[in-house]
Amino acid sequence: QVQLVQSGAEVKKPGASVKVSCKASGYTFSGYYIHWVRQAPGQGLEWMGWINPNSGDTKYAQKFQGWVIMTRDTAISTAYMEVNRLTSDDTAVYYCVRQDRSGWDFDYWGQGTLVTVSS
Amino acid sequence: QSALTQPASVSGSPGQSITISCTGTSSDAGVYKYVSWYQQHPDKAPKLMIYDVSHRPSGVPDRFSGSKSGNTASLTISGLQAEDEADYFCSSYTGSTVVFGGGTKLTVL
Repeated sequence: QVQLVQSGAEVKKPGASVKVSCKASGYTFSGYYIHWVRQAPGQGLEWMGWINPNSGDTKYAQKFQGWVIMTRDTAISTAYMEVNRLTSDDTAVYYCVRQDRSGWDFDYWGQGTLVTVSS
Repeated sequence: QSALTQPASVSGSPGQSITISCTGTSSDAGVYKYVSWYQQHPDKAPKLMIYDVSHRPSGVPDRFSGSKSGNTASLTISGLQAEDEADYFCSSYTGSTVVFGGGTKLTVL
């Protein structure tokens, strides 16, 4: 069965960086885009960007360009999302999600990784 | 890219029907068929309920339906059940990116 398993919760200080991993299983990793979506406490969903695991091509929401980096390691079917220069506004649950092959919906979600930014 | 507009909250009694709207622009929901709806229970990851405006994934009850008119997509839940109480989010493709709605809290009275 399809699974996206993310790394554990992180606590970081302002100005630091965090890298979240997302290990895929149960399907061909290179065949489906991976997106990252975050959700601040009590807030809505915010789309951050996608990575094509096959080519490594990425597309970021304008807000995240220049300080979020998405990468992947096809050998271990894992996607990564790194956020730099963290501020308290980046405290959120970060989800990796699989894009359905034929559309732009998200059919499988990781369990989420809570990143807390606090001094 | 501005978020899609959803009502903050809706409510209904068990057995009733409710509709949640999701208003975008001619750059997203108004021009693309790629509108999706997600259900999120507290402290859980969202779950896909509707894709491509009106299609249900396998396992989603047929009480859930989707439609679109112009720039506004809608999610209708008929025969409300207690377990439908959750947050609902819409999303739309925008040409190269994705945008979400602000979310709607559904309360089953």
